[in-house]
Amino acid sequence: SQTIHQWPATLVQPVGSPLSLECTVEGTSNPNLYWYRQAAGRGLQLLFYSVGIGQISSEVPQNLSASRPQDRQFILSSKKLLLSDSGFYLCAWSEDRVYNSPLHFGNGTRLTVT
Amino acid sequence: AQSVTQLGSHVSVSEGALVLLRCNYSSSVPPYLFWYVQYPNQGLQLLLKYTTGATLVKGINGFEAEFKKSETSFHLTKPSAHMSDAAEYFCAVRANAGNNRKLIWGLGTSLAVNP
Repeated sequence: SQTIHQWPATLVQPVGSPLSLECTVEGTSNPNLYWYRQAAGRGLQLLFYSVGIGQISSEVPQNLSASRPQDRQFILSSKKLLLSDSGFYLCAWSEDRVYNSPLHFGNGTRLTVT
Repeated sequence: AQSVTQLGSHVSVSEGALVLLRCNYSSSVPPYLFWYVQYPNQGLQLLLKYTTGATLVKGINGFEAEFKKSETSFHLTKPSAHMSDAAEYFCAVRANAGNNRKLIWGLGTSLAVNP
């Protein structure tokens, strides 16, 4: 069966520090991968999605970036965090070329920028 | 363009009462529809999905939803609420056409279950 791992679960970082969140998927190949952010009391905001290694689509201009160095690995990064980057970050995957495939989510990372 | 509207950001029911969470969508092509549940500080878990075929879809934890094309709705129901159903619920839609990999999300409905 497929599993998705996301870490760390919680993170407190000062303003201006770098960020690296990692997500890996097991049990499937060539998944579509997604990074979402969920701010308090708001819905889900799609940040990035990827359909293959090195292929990243950015949905929202910001100081965050994403990379996919391996087929089942998706990394969210920032060189300098802002207070507004605080939120709950969710990684998800779906089956490639299966358009009724749901998204499967990791357990999320709670990021607090102080 | 597609959109999803969840009517009522907060819904409160008594334990044992009917749960009804409303979702209306807008799509120019036949949609795929999804309901997810999110417990505090956790990721989203798929409750059920509609793709094609039977319009009444049964999901996990006793939930079901009915796709009504004429009303562009996909409301989520459960006959009898449990305390453990207290969570945030999200409706989402994806176009059943083209190479669209993205879901369009509603803003969510927070369900409270009172003893």
